[in-house]
Amino acid sequence: AQKITQTQPGMFVQEKEAVTLDCTYDTSDPSYGLFWYKQPSSGEMIFLIYQGSYDQQNATEGRYSLNFQKARKSANLVISASQLGDSAMYFCAMREGKGRDDKIIFGKGTRLHILP
Amino acid sequence: EPEVTQTPSHQVTQMGQEVILRCVPISNHLYFYWYRQILGQKVEFLVSFYNNEISEKSEIFDDQFSVERPDGSNFTLKIRSTKLEDSAMYFCASRELAGANQETQYFGPGTRLLVL
Repeated sequence: AQKITQTQPGMFVQEKEAVTLDCTYDTSDPSYGLFWYKQPSSGEMIFLIYQGSYDQQNATEGRYSLNFQKARKSANLVISASQLGDSAMYFCAMREGKGRDDKIIFGKGTRLHILP
Repeated sequence: EPEVTQTPSHQVTQMGQEVILRCVPISNHLYFYWYRQILGQKVEFLVSFYNNEISEKSEIFDDQFSVERPDGSNFTLKIRSTKLEDSAMYFCASRELAGANQETQYFGPGTRLLVL
């Protein structure tokens, strides 16, 4: 069973509009972390934002915010005022394990296209 | 800002040859990881490394793979006898032991390996 589900394989959004990328996760561990990474066409993996399972407030980093709904096991990424440079693949990911035994499990990604 | 670096950026090799992928993690980080991404697929965990030994490895990380921290700065992934299906982007990541960002794994730019 998939632990990270991203249901939108691709999205087209007009420049300057807000974007919401969906992510749901599955874990029985009470302590976990959720991430969003951006992968442009050049291939590198860029960290965007992190949300801990015990964090009371939704994480924000500049134009990025994470809409964390713990009961629904949902961790959607919101990009405000989208820009052409936001066109990329976006991966939702979850930290499994603790300390030295942790690893990140990735979703299949959503390819975002920002239209001028 | 400190970053993870990887060399080479691209490598082409013949099936059956040995390859060594190199990574320089962020200097104060103590947890190290390798992931791979086959073209068009999601990122998969290979191995984690801490205190000069493997912490965890996935089923992908078979006897053909090994990791090493030969000195205080480098972290390497060796594939002993490459197969066609080893063609992928290989990412190194690192994480600090403690601090505000201790949960976040920072990824290098990747090495794109092509096995012919």
